[in-house]
Amino acid sequence: NAGVTQTPKFQVLKTGQSMTLQCAQDMNHEYMSWYRQDPGMGLRLIHYSVGAGITDQGEVPNGYNVSRSTTEDFPLRLLSAAPSQTSVYFCASSYWTGAETQYFGPGTRLLVL
Amino acid sequence: AQSVTQLDSHVSVSEGTPVLLRCNYSSSYSPSLFWYVQHPNKGLQLLLKYTSAATLVKGINGFEAEFKKSETSFHLTKPSAHMSDAAEYFCVVSEENFGNEKLTFGTGTRLTIIP
Repeated sequence: NAGVTQTPKFQVLKTGQSMTLQCAQDMNHEYMSWYRQDPGMGLRLIHYSVGAGITDQGEVPNGYNVSRSTTEDFPLRLLSAAPSQTSVYFCASSYWTGAETQYFGPGTRLLVL
Repeated sequence: AQSVTQLDSHVSVSEGTPVLLRCNYSSSYSPSLFWYVQHPNKGLQLLLKYTSAATLVKGINGFEAEFKKSETSFHLTKPSAHMSDAAEYFCVVSEENFGNEKLTFGTGTRLTIIP
């Protein structure tokens, strides 16, 4: 199993550009989520999904869109990047929402100029 | 509402000496508590978890944590630090919220090991 994979590992964007952060898992997990990690703030939940076709907002959803067309993939879209979205983004998956079963990807480091 | 406070943003210890990373929590119900570790440029890895069984929880790599309800604490300890323990550590509290578990992460403690 590859576990949770994320691409790209690093990305630089200009303000106003759009991009999609990819996340995939091969463990047949129903629950997937996106977090952002900022210095001194821990991880904050952006969006999550409890299964294909179902998504919901987390703590900091503004400026981000998600969709879940398959069990395996959970892309995160930035429609119009802003410098405030400079962060490290982590995707996680689990069989259900319990923290004990969360598997995290290696992260995507995003810089918005 | 639940919250987590990691009392130290940075801890430095010498190799072979004890490690103590402090975590206090606030929760309306009986929480589940976790410690995660993040090595440089890596994702988070579960170190240990408390889910209302034994109050002293043993994790991987010689770490353990004790749940103290009276003190609302869940401090992480290790008797003897190793160079490979250098990483960032996150305390996490989990509460069930309308059928889903809501995770709240602490701000992290960076552990430095001095040779």
